[in-house]
Parts: sequence; structure tokens; C-alpha cells
Amino acid sequence: EVQILETGGGLVKPGGSLRLSCATSGFNFNDYFMNWVRQAPGKGLEWVAQIRNKNYNYATYYAESLEGRVTISRDDSKSSVYLQVSSLRAEDTAIYYCTRGVTTYWGQGVMVTVSS
Amino acid sequence: DIQMTQSPSFLSASVGDRVTINCKASQNINKYLNWYQQKLGEAPKRLIYNTNNLQTGIPSRFSGSGSGTDYTLTISSLQPEDFATYFCLQHNSFPWTFGGGTKLELK
Repeated sequence: EVQILETGGGLVKPGGSLRLSCATSGFNFNDYFMNWVRQAPGKGLEWVAQIRNKNYNYATYYAESLEGRVTISRDDSKSSVYLQVSSLRAEDTAIYYCTRGVTTYWGQGVMVTVSS
Repeated sequence: DIQMTQSPSFLSASVGDRVTINCKASQNINKYLNWYQQKLGEAPKRLIYNTNNLQTGIPSRFSGSGSGTDYTLTISSLQPEDFATYFCLQHNSFPWTFGGGTKLELK
């Protein structure tokens, strides 16, 4: 069974940084590219970032609205993907979801709140 | 960036109704269009991928169609569990972009 679990969310002050983690199991992680998608409270979905697998040289792609403040990475030995977000703003407040491939499977999400 | 315009934003319908939800892309997305259902407090669930492929385990009352810039999700006969919010996603090119969502409510 595919399992995806995000951790690392919480309350962060504006200007702060956060590293979200996504642990996976139940599939061959090395075969898949991974994404982060976020959803602000009561709002729609926003794709954030993607990291491809070794076959694609771990290429990364980012939403323009976050580029320069966000870094996606992965550790194939741990079947995990990470999202580092810096210079956090109130508008970054959202549930952050980790998804496999073309968003076939989703984690339950982790809440990030940016507030003083 | 490719803009995805989803309509309607809200839809009231009854159990048994046939409903359609539309997504229009600002340019050709080559059928790289997925549909998702999201219930309150839950993660989205993929229903349809690449325009018309039904995700495993999704009931056959859900179907997708379209090409070029225009895509449609159809629910042939609404069931009580179908009242939720629906989103489309284009993954033809980066940045991937979602439609604004359609909230399907019980009339």
C-alpha cells in the first residue's frame, strides 16, 4: 500500500524558514518524481515544486511565485522528499501536500502557518 | 504560464442528475489534464488522468473528455458521496496549474 506522510509544519514567524519532510513507503521511490502542492485556507490548489528521479538527473522545477525561496530535494536511500522554504510570508500559510508522480497519490498534508 | 479557467465555480444539483464541469486552458495542453475530487478536510483524490483515463477504483459514472484547450468532467448520475469540490490540473508544461475549483452542492 502506498503511504505518504508529511511532517515539519507548524507556526513560523514572517521571515523565518521551514523544512518540510515527506516519508514514503509501499512503492519503489527511485522510479518516481515527486511534487509538493499547497492549499491556502479555503482556497484552491497551487503546485509548488517537482523533483525528478535519478534517470532525469534529479531535475527540479518550481512555481514562479516561490522561486528563489524554495528548494526541493530528495533522499532515495530514505524514500523521502523535502521542501525547504525561506523568507516565509503570511501568504505562504497553507496545507502543504506531498504527491507522487502526476499526483496519483497524496499525503494528508501538513499545515504551515506564518504569523507573528 | 498556462491559465486554467474552470466553470462553474458553484453548482447545485440533485442526486441522480447528470452534471458537467469545464476547464479551459489558455493554450493547447495536449490532453495532459487531470481531474480531482476533494472533500472537506481531506486531501484531493485523482479521478481522471490524461483527459479520459479513469483512475483505478473510481466509479464509472465519472468520465472525462476534451482536447486542445477545452476539457470536461461528467458525472452521469450524481450520488450522495459526490458532493464535493472538483479541480482540474494541467501538467503539459511547467508550472503546472490548477483550475479554480467547482463546489458541487446538494440542491
